[in-house]
Amino acid sequence: AQSVTQLDSQVPVFEEAPVELRCNYSSSVSVYLFWYVQYPNQGLQLLLKYLSGSTLVKGINGFEAEFNKSQTSFHLRKPSVHISDTAEYFCAVSVRGSGGGADGLTFGKGTHLIIQP
Amino acid sequence: DAGITQSPRHKVTETGTPVTLRCHQTENHRYMYWYRQDPGHGLRLIHYSYGVKDTDKGEVSDGYSVSRSKTEDFLLTLESATSSQTSVYFCAISWDNNEQFFGPGTRLTVL
Repeated sequence: AQSVTQLDSQVPVFEEAPVELRCNYSSSVSVYLFWYVQYPNQGLQLLLKYLSGSTLVKGINGFEAEFNKSQTSFHLRKPSVHISDTAEYFCAVSVRGSGGGADGLTFGKGTHLIIQP
Repeated sequence: DAGITQSPRHKVTETGTPVTLRCHQTENHRYMYWYRQDPGHGLRLIHYSYGVKDTDKGEVSDGYSVSRSKTEDFLLTLESATSSQTSVYFCAISWDNNEQFFGPGTRLTVL
């Protein structure tokens, strides 16, 4: 079985400052990695994903993440945040070769990003 | 949006009553999932389906059942609701590359 640890439950950041949200995973097999964002009272929206290839992945809204296999990490970064980035962010994994996502995603507990003016 | 709707969007019910939540997709995706979201737990997989009449259990399946008689509909049933099933329920769909698209959610309160 796989697990996901998001090391910070809450991250306060000033507007226009950089931010990093940390995600570590544990799995005995190869995985795909995802970051989702959830704005208040809404569903989840995919920010970015790592399936294969370049370990630096760029997503929507200026976010990027880097897959580090040796450290089993997939940290999310943004060089300059805005008030509109205030949301809950979830890291998730799925098992490679599981028949196209049949087994579902395993999520971390989420990180609440709070942007301070 | 990926063409996923959930109904109802909000429901309040009493302990011991049956409840059915519906997920409907217009994308003809093969895979469908039900998750619950609770504070401090993130999202946890309840059940999933990999085709019509093909379903399997997820991490937190106790107290829940599902059915999928058509590609576009995936039903989640709480046979006898309990207060511990108060949660926000999300449906998701996937084609075949592990990327999942989520519905808007159903907020269920069991009194």
